[in-house]
Amino acid sequence: GEDVEQSLFLSVREGDSSVINCTYTDSSSTYLYWYKQEPGAGLQLLTYIFSNMDMKQDQRLTVLLNKKDKHLSLRIADTQTGDSAIYFCAVGWSNNDMRFGAGTRLTVKP
Amino acid sequence: DAMVIQNPRYQVTQFGKPVTLSCSQTLNHNVMYWYQQKSSQAPKLLFHYYDKDFNNEADTPDNFQSRRPNTSFCFLDIRSPGLGDAAMYLCATSRVGTNEQFFGPGTRLTVL
Repeated sequence: GEDVEQSLFLSVREGDSSVINCTYTDSSSTYLYWYKQEPGAGLQLLTYIFSNMDMKQDQRLTVLLNKKDKHLSLRIADTQTGDSAIYFCAVGWSNNDMRFGAGTRLTVKP
Repeated sequence: DAMVIQNPRYQVTQFGKPVTLSCSQTLNHNVMYWYQQKSSQAPKLLFHYYDKDFNNEADTPDNFQSRRPNTSFCFLDIRSPGLGDAAMYLCATSRVGTNEQFFGPGTRLTVL
């Protein structure tokens, strides 16, 4: 089955950039996603990228995809304390199937 | 606002006592999913419905069942909860062809 790997923790200072990394194994995936989960809440879709794209930017968020290395990253510019949450990488296929990584807990220190 | 609603948000049950979790949606999406998420782990897909067609993941225990009486509602039934079934249960919906899933806030299940 598909493996989606993320580092479990990341700590940054307020105002710095955060970079959360993800690797996956199935190159046939069609979509790659980043979800955010705040304590006690469900998952909120932040952004996604099609597998034929290299980069997508949406305000403070930049997604980079290296399909050759099966590496996905999420950069959050000017990280704020409100960005503290768990960030999940997910890989999806056109049949609506999806697999999640274990999540990276981002802590933003003032 | 169109949304995915889960009730209750917190559910406590006893070991072996059947429990039902509820999900409803106002998005009119034809696909509905149930995920199990244990602490510090990835959400794990249990099953999904494509309209009324039920799709079970191969490793979902028989203890877990689901019903979808109409487009808006989907239920997760745990027939005999064990201590290992304590988790957050997430419902999600999507429209076929978009592959964007919208999640509810989850139901946290405690088994005593």
